[in-house]
Amino acid sequence: DTGVSQDPRHKITKRGQNVTFRCDPISEHNRLYWYRQTLGQGPEFLTYFQNEAQLEKSRLLSDRFSAERPKGSFSTLEIQRTEQGDSAMYLCASTGTGHNYGYTFGSGTRLTVV
Amino acid sequence: DAKTTQPPSMDCAEGRAANLPCNHSTISGNEYVYWYRQIHSQGPQYIIHGLKNNETNEMASLIITEDRKSSTLILPHATLRDTAVYYCIVDYYGGSQGNLIFGKGTKLSVKP
Repeated sequence: DTGVSQDPRHKITKRGQNVTFRCDPISEHNRLYWYRQTLGQGPEFLTYFQNEAQLEKSRLLSDRFSAERPKGSFSTLEIQRTEQGDSAMYLCASTGTGHNYGYTFGSGTRLTVV
Repeated sequence: DAKTTQPPSMDCAEGRAANLPCNHSTISGNEYVYWYRQIHSQGPQYIIHGLKNNETNEMASLIITEDRKSSTLILPHATLRDTAVYYCIVDYYGGSQGNLIFGKGTKLSVKP
């Protein structure tokens, strides 16, 4: 297992377009998280899945954002009608239940809305 | 809001120990102290965590005060590759509360 994979690494899109990002967690990890990070700030929590269930959503996750994890494996994050304020790094992390070894983050998807 | 406070930046000479402080005066009894670092353009990387006792692993040492209101991450022999933003976070065991709350961290610059 090579860790948490995110695709694409970079995405440039025009304002108003929809974008979708994918995250493949470590295979035995049942918890998956999405974070957003803007320049000069620490990552901010967006949402969290345990297996296929979405258990928590941040206030940052507006109606234009939706996340899925259909089979409890990979996850997708979709942003509809993108706005310039959506430009950020979108990070995915995974961890397992019952262990205490921290979260494993992917390298992120950098979104630029022009 | 983050439950920790850290200095915004620090410098360290290559080969010397880097001591990064963190205050977490409102930490509750069953919250752990976690440290992550983020090298430019990468995702955060887990370093170490602890509850009460001091901890050491291959990357760093973590010193937690007896009252648990502050801690120090020690990189014993800093290298240029340790230049990164270091985040101190408090969280429950295994992240059972669902998410980590990051602050702005400390930007460590290791200089030759």
